[in-house]
Amino acid sequence: QLQLQESGPGLVKPSETLSLTCTVSGGSISSSSYYWGWIRQPPGKGLEWIGTIYYSGSTYHNPSLKSRVTISVDTSKNQFSLKLSSVTAADTAVYYCARRDILTGYYSPFDYWGQGTLVTVSS
Amino acid sequence: EIVLTQSPGTLSLSPGERATLSCRASQSLSSSYLAWYQQKPGQAPRLLIYGASSRATGIPDRFSGSGSGTDFTLTISRLEPEDFAVYYCQQYGSSPTFGQGTKVEIK
Repeated sequence: QLQLQESGPGLVKPSETLSLTCTVSGGSISSSSYYWGWIRQPPGKGLEWIGTIYYSGSTYHNPSLKSRVTISVDTSKNQFSLKLSSVTAADTAVYYCARRDILTGYYSPFDYWGQGTLVTVSS
Repeated sequence: EIVLTQSPGTLSLSPGERATLSCRASQSLSSSYLAWYQQKPGQAPRLLIYGASSRATGIPDRFSGSGSGTDFTLTISRLEPEDFAVYYCQQYGSSPTFGQGTKVEIK
């Protein structure tokens, strides 16, 4: 059974960089059939797509966040990571990692999600 | 950016009743790249419907999706106690976006 698990600091200071890692188990991140993404949800609010990466390192990001977002992949560890720079209180959210299966089509929804991790931006 | 507008914001219904949720896109969606998710408190979203009308693996047949172009609907034919949750639509084209959600609450 595929599992995704987010990890990283739960508290980040304003202007610093938020760093999270998603560890994939029960499947290979190097499969050509999947893309891997980050989505966030501010407390009590809706979902926002952050960005997506392929095992080759190819990425694409939400235009509203693009200049602050870096997504990378480490196939040797079966992990992918998110860095969000210059954070403010508006970046406080539950951050989810997720998978999308391109076997159903090049564009596809997220079918497996991690449990999410709350990151609070505060001094 | 494609904006998705969900209505109503909250739907108050009783178990056994039919729920009809709407999602309207600001522009026509290519190949019906529209999905619906269910989210319960403290949990990650769960994929229900993709391609506007295809049920994801393990989703009961009381959940159905329809629509094309800019107007899409999620129908729950008979609400079970476990169906009371927040539902989000998502367009999953080149720059995915989500609707703001519809809460289905117990009347």
